[in-house]
Amino acid sequence: ETGVTQTPRHLVMGMTNKKSLKCEQHLGHNAMYWYKQSAKKPLELMFVYNFKEQTENNSVPSRFSPECPNSSHLFLHLHTLQPEDSALYLCASSQDLAGGGDEQYFGPGTRLTVT
Amino acid sequence: AQSVTQLDSQVPVFEEAPVELRCNYSSSVSVYLFWYVQYPNQGLQLLLKYLSGSTLVKGINGFEAEFNKSQTSFHLRKPSVHISDTAEYFCAVMSSSASKIIFGSGTRLSIRP
Repeated sequence: ETGVTQTPRHLVMGMTNKKSLKCEQHLGHNAMYWYKQSAKKPLELMFVYNFKEQTENNSVPSRFSPECPNSSHLFLHLHTLQPEDSALYLCASSQDLAGGGDEQYFGPGTRLTVT
Repeated sequence: AQSVTQLDSQVPVFEEAPVELRCNYSSSVSVYLFWYVQYPNQGLQLLLKYLSGSTLVKGINGFEAEFNKSQTSFHLRKPSVHISDTAEYFCAVMSSSASKIIFGSGTRLSIRP
């Protein structure tokens, strides 16, 4: 595997379910990100991790719970979601958070549908 | 704080015609600028970036962009588009003193045969 991978690619879940999204980066990067992409809205940054430590939480509801066990893996645990949470969830990584113009590398996303 | 405005939500063009996708930004400090492309059912992929130096930046797939500091713009251009360029294009800005990227709302490029 190369780059940033995400599983599953598609997920349908009921509002009472618990599920997890997984992201893995094979680039040796130190920073990882979760974004939410909804139709007709700008990309929304949800969480940022640097060297496994969370550095940013953009007022995300507690029904979304991130986990970063190491610099290569990032999870998003989901529980009691709402239909408006249906979106494409994108994971990204970058070399680090020290600035310098490092671009972010994105995974293909997980298309989540909440029924 | 930085912000990015993509002036056109949709741009339809004929195949082999030139295209320009417009992007303006605002920032009180120096910035780095990016263009990303998102093909259907895929994540975002970097097309090109401006960090410093020459204001004309060449990217992948024949795209280029010009950084204009006085007009705070970073428009993306291609002299001749192909059907395969059908995608959504995102302009993004990063402050030179931080690593957070701010994305524009995207421009959907549709190519007509």
